[in-house]
Amino acid sequence: EADIYQTPRYLVIGTGKKITLECSQTMGHDKMYWYQQDPGMELHLIHYSYGVNSTEKGDLSSESTVSRIRTEHFPLTLESARPSHTSQYLCASRSNADRGNTIYFGEGSWLTVV
Amino acid sequence: SQQGEEDPQALSIQEGENATMNCSYKTSINNLQWYRQNSGRGLVHLILIRSNEREKHSGRLRVTLDTSKKSSSLLITASRAADTASYFCATDSGNTPLVFGKGTRLSVIA
Repeated sequence: EADIYQTPRYLVIGTGKKITLECSQTMGHDKMYWYQQDPGMELHLIHYSYGVNSTEKGDLSSESTVSRIRTEHFPLTLESARPSHTSQYLCASRSNADRGNTIYFGEGSWLTVV
Repeated sequence: SQQGEEDPQALSIQEGENATMNCSYKTSINNLQWYRQNSGRGLVHLILIRSNEREKHSGRLRVTLDTSKKSSSLLITASRAADTASYFCATDSGNTPLVFGKGTRLSVIA
């Protein structure tokens, strides 16, 4: 079992609200990622970080922002949620020391914007 | 993008049969990985095969890699209802994030 946690697991919010999805890992991993996935569809990388104070945008344009102030914490924020943001958000991490480049995923956060 | 493409998109088999899923990619890789996702959950790593390997086994899983054809296959032998899930390949080409394919949805009917 991977020690990576996401909260909330499920959230329904109104349009225009600000929301932060939390992600924490206790493995000391340097690299962390956020993927967006619609049900039954492919994963899209929206943000990643290779260490504290390092953040990059992924392949899919996203109106969300991330921060990496602590190694173990990588929150994702939507300043003004819209129905188009309804999706599952998956957080993941990987150790620099893992030559196999295995990624460990959290259980996901299901966001519904009404 | 060197996104992997799984084939077929969906597969339905009877319990006890073998399930084969394929993955194609576009550029050179260091390794290729397969992940499993149960409905509504995160992905779980199954197996990794390096670019200098041609075949790898793990329990009922068998993975092959053909770098000349830029393709990989995942074979699940003697499938069980509990194998029902989506299976994704992911390619690694160095110090960049893994890129996942679109996945194969496997249904194993008891």
